[in-house]
Amino acid sequence: DVKVTQSSRYLVKRTGEKVFLECVQDMDHENMFWYRQDPGLGLRLIYFSYDVKMKEKGDIPEGYSVSREKKERFSLILESASTNQTSMYLCASSLDRAQETQYFGPGTRLLVL
Amino acid sequence: DQQVKQNSPSLSVQEGRISILNCDYTNSMFDYFLWYKKYPAEGPTFLISISSIKDKNEDGRFTVFLNKSAKHLSLHIVPSQPGDSAVYFCAANDSGGGADGLTFGKGTHLIIQP
Repeated sequence: DVKVTQSSRYLVKRTGEKVFLECVQDMDHENMFWYRQDPGLGLRLIYFSYDVKMKEKGDIPEGYSVSREKKERFSLILESASTNQTSMYLCASSLDRAQETQYFGPGTRLLVL
Repeated sequence: DQQVKQNSPSLSVQEGRISILNCDYTNSMFDYFLWYKKYPAEGPTFLISISSIKDKNEDGRFTVFLNKSAKHLSLHIVPSQPGDSAVYFCAANDSGGGADGLTFGKGTHLIIQP
């Protein structure tokens, strides 16, 4: 079974704080993704990575950055958290470019005050 | 511009009956389609997928139908059970475009009534 874990289930931060969200997968997947889910908007892709040290912008990268120093770990960074970044953040991974099925972690619900 | 549309925000079905969730897409480059199920405060769980070379894929109580000419797919759940109550997301991918993430619909909240 694929296992994708996220460091926190719930997080409360203040405006302007730097926030790190960590994601780890244990199936040696090449691709990793960060999405946010908001009511009425579905899942929107923030950033993705198809290899160590590689990153690509998704549909809504503004205000975020990512880091992939190791194959199994993909971090999402909010440089200066703002209230409009309050959301559910979902990490996913997929095997490789030929395998499109993505497997999701449990999500991190972030509240920015 | 929404490339994957789920036009029904919610759907209520009686237990034991068939649930049919619909999804439309606009991008003709999409060639792989997936359905995910999501409970509140949990990550989406992969349910079933279909490649554009097929028009039907079945897995137990779940069947996905793809109509390429209409750019439409549907998920059938038979028989519907209380545990099926969740939000269902349709997703699509252009496999020729590389690993650039899935495009998701906004979801349909399925409610199974006893």
